[in-house]
Amino acid sequence: AQTVTQSQPEMSVQEAETVTLSCTYDTSESDYYLFWYKQPPSRQMILVIRQEAYKQQNATENRFSVNFQKAAKSFSLKISDSQLGDAAMYFCALRMNRDDKIIFGKGTRLHILP
Amino acid sequence: DSGVTQTPKHLITATGQRVTLRCSPRSGDLSVYWYQQSLDQGLQFLIQYYNGEERAKGNILERFSAQQFPDLHSELNLSSLELGDSALYFCASSGDLEGGIGYTFGSGTRLTIV
Repeated sequence: AQTVTQSQPEMSVQEAETVTLSCTYDTSESDYYLFWYKQPPSRQMILVIRQEAYKQQNATENRFSVNFQKAAKSFSLKISDSQLGDAAMYFCALRMNRDDKIIFGKGTRLHILP
Repeated sequence: DSGVTQTPKHLITATGQRVTLRCSPRSGDLSVYWYQQSLDQGLQFLIQYYNGEERAKGNILERFSAQQFPDLHSELNLSSLELGDSALYFCASSGDLEGGIGYTFGSGTRLTIV
């Protein structure tokens, strides 16, 4: 069975600083996708970034980037120049290419300190 | 607006009752997914429909059922409600069956059982 683990229930970072959220996952398959979703206080689930497992290059979306270590089954999210609007719950997620459902970690709540 | 519409946004009902949650997927998306988000359980996959047919089932209770109609909207029916069913219920939609495009989520229905 596939699992996603986020070991940091909560984190805080100073505004304009950089923060890294950790995620590890477990799967015996080689073809899959990884995602980071953001859930602000509005409760809306927003896709932040995604990574195809077959791609070695780490995905980047503006201030958000990932460090994908396939052998270690690690998929961390780096947020640069943190802004107050980044305060949210962040979920790491895994989807097999042969499957449709996405498996989510339990989330990391990120606080931005002004 | 994500394009996925969920109604109602809030629902309060008593134990033992039955409720129906409704979801309209993003235009053109054939797949609909239902997730339950409880405080301590993260996002749990319940069920998926693709073009009217059930495609995948997660940890959905027997008291819960769902369907997808010809116009692709979906309903999640929860019956014999218990206090533990209080949660945020998300619907998401997707346009691809396999692959790395993440879901588009609705804003959720907050169900409170009293």
